[in-house]
Amino acid sequence: EVQLVESGGGLVPAGGSLRLSCEASEFTFSDYTMNWVRQAPGKGLEWVSYISSSSGTIYYADSVKGRFTISRDNAKKSLYLQINSLRAEDTAVYYCARGGGSTVTGWFDPWGQGTLVTVSS
Amino acid sequence: SYELTQPLSVSVALGQTARITCGGNNIASKDVHWLQQKPGQAPVLVIYRDTNRPSGIPERFSGSNSGNTATLTISRAQVEDEGDYYCQVWDSNTGVFGGGTKLTVL
Repeated sequence: EVQLVESGGGLVPAGGSLRLSCEASEFTFSDYTMNWVRQAPGKGLEWVSYISSSSGTIYYADSVKGRFTISRDNAKKSLYLQINSLRAEDTAVYYCARGGGSTVTGWFDPWGQGTLVTVSS
Repeated sequence: SYELTQPLSVSVALGQTARITCGGNNIASKDVHWLQQKPGQAPVLVIYRDTNRPSGIPERFSGSNSGNTATLTISRAQVEDEGDYYCQVWDSNTGVFGGGTKLTVL
């Protein structure tokens, strides 16, 4: 069964940093684009970042540009999100999601179970 | 920036048809994907590229996309279909989600 497992969340003071990880299994990780999506408590989904299969193309939401860095290690079948200069509004469950289709306009499937990041002010 | 508009809530009687809309400027020119999220769970893809159902998704889920509105249709709605539904597109290399619709099966 295709699986994504996030880790690295926690309680962090405002201005702090975290590195989230997403470990993939049961599919050829290097063949797929990947994304990070977050969901603030009681709110909707917000796309955060995209990375192509070879890391050659990367996109960010305006709300995180300059503070977040997406990366991947295909040999380790892992996706990462380095989060710096954390703000209260970054408090959310962070999901990794595999990209579907052959272009950046693809869908998100499957999703990991998420990891909670809480920023204390 | 591109915006997607969904109704906050939709109610449907058990066994009847629910329709959840997703409005956006000329959305017909984009691929629309739909996700279902139940409380405390990660989202699950139910429709991709407007009309396609992933394996394992019941046939009662279908989608359409025309003009400025995409629609997710759930025929013969079941109690287990309750949850939040999100439409999603890409615009200018940015992922965009609708605000979400809470579906209640009465």
